[in-house]
Amino acid sequence: DSGVTQTPKHLITATGQRVTLRCSPRSGDLSVYWYQQSLDQGLQFLIQYYNGEERAKGNILERFSAQQFPDLHSELNLSSLELGDSALYFCASSVGKQRAMDTQYFGPGTRLTVL
Amino acid sequence: DQQVKQNSPSLSVQEGRISILNCDYTNSMFDYFLWYKKYPAEGPTFLISISSIKDKNEDGRFTVFLNKSAKHLSLHIVPSQPGDSAVYFCAALAYNTDKLIFGTGTRLQVFP
Repeated sequence: DSGVTQTPKHLITATGQRVTLRCSPRSGDLSVYWYQQSLDQGLQFLIQYYNGEERAKGNILERFSAQQFPDLHSELNLSSLELGDSALYFCASSVGKQRAMDTQYFGPGTRLTVL
Repeated sequence: DQQVKQNSPSLSVQEGRISILNCDYTNSMFDYFLWYKKYPAEGPTFLISISSIKDKNEDGRFTVFLNKSAKHLSLHIVPSQPGDSAVYFCAALAYNTDKLIFGTGTRLQVFP
């Protein structure tokens, strides 16, 4: 158990809908990262928040947005869903103090299926 | 554009033997490399890392080798155990960023 929790575990929805994925980081971790893993793909970095502020952005679509709240949990919002958005979405957290010495701990993921 | 490549989607090794997982990268700005292990229905778990100022890092049965001139790294597992059966991801960090760039993974199966 990494200490990172993600809810829900599974989500099935229809095209055009909007969903929210939730992540609670490990106690004491200030950084939260979101990744997308599509079928047979590596994990694609989407976005990072550090202590409530956006710190880095990757290949995140404009239909997707995220935020980190004062209690440090984070939500990833996916809107106008398309079939191609079906994937595993992972959240990771780290202390956020020392770059590259700072291990990212991953949650179990949310499997999103868009029908 | 796949900056981190794991060209072998799968690898099968007998228990007790050495497992060698390979990873190639294209971005010269990468200066820190990591290996993650992933079991089904779980998130990736950090395994071992190496800074670009080193060419080897060892942790128990796991050793990572880095060849900067060839832009290649490898993970050696000796001896391999059935519990090592998982998907292994290579990942890289570029200088002054926090964005992990992952490869597509290699599925390792260790059989008795």
